[in-house]
Amino acid sequence: NAGVMQNPRHLVRRRGQEARLRCSPMKGHSHVYWYRQLPEEGLKFMVYLQKENIIDESGMPKERFSAEFPKEGPSILRIQQVVRGDSAAYFCASSPGRASPAFFGQGTRLTVV
Amino acid sequence: AQSVTQLDSQVPVFEEAPVELRCNYSSSVSVYLFWYVQYPNQGLQLLLKYLSGSTLVKGINGFEAEFNKSQTSFHLRKPSVHISDTAEYFCAVSEGNAGNMLTFGGGTRLMVKP
Repeated sequence: NAGVMQNPRHLVRRRGQEARLRCSPMKGHSHVYWYRQLPEEGLKFMVYLQKENIIDESGMPKERFSAEFPKEGPSILRIQQVVRGDSAAYFCASSPGRASPAFFGQGTRLTVV
Repeated sequence: AQSVTQLDSQVPVFEEAPVELRCNYSSSVSVYLFWYVQYPNQGLQLLLKYLSGSTLVKGINGFEAEFNKSQTSFHLRKPSVHISDTAEYFCAVSEGNAGNMLTFGGGTRLMVKP
């Protein structure tokens, strides 16, 4: 049973480009969470999705960031017109239910140059 | 709003010595508490969790933590550390029905020296 898979592991984008981060949850998990870890800081919750629905996006920046979890395929975190401050590690976690502990992926490290 | 404070950003310790990593939280409602470990360039692995019941929680790799409601603390302990325990440790909290929408502390880097 493969764990939570995130790709790419490393992503370099120039300022103004778009970044698309993918997360395939563990088999049987329909709940997905995205977190951002800025350098030398803890993780900050961004968004909680359940198949085709955004449950809570209270941690998402109001502009340029969006997330989806379609019926088929991975969850996608999309950042438009990236800026240097978006450089961070982005972690995805999944769980089989809202109250079940989540398992984390290895993260995507985004560098904006 | 809830918050989590990890009082020590770095904790150096010699191998086979005991260690305690401190975590305090603030919340106006009942909470669930977690400790995660992050090895370099890896994701987070759940060490242990407190949901209810006994305030002393045992986790993987010989770690344990004690929930103290009056002091709003959830300190992590291990009686004898190994070199392989060198990693970043994060305390996290979720409120009531928030599930896995966690609030994390800033992390404590445990450095085990031979």
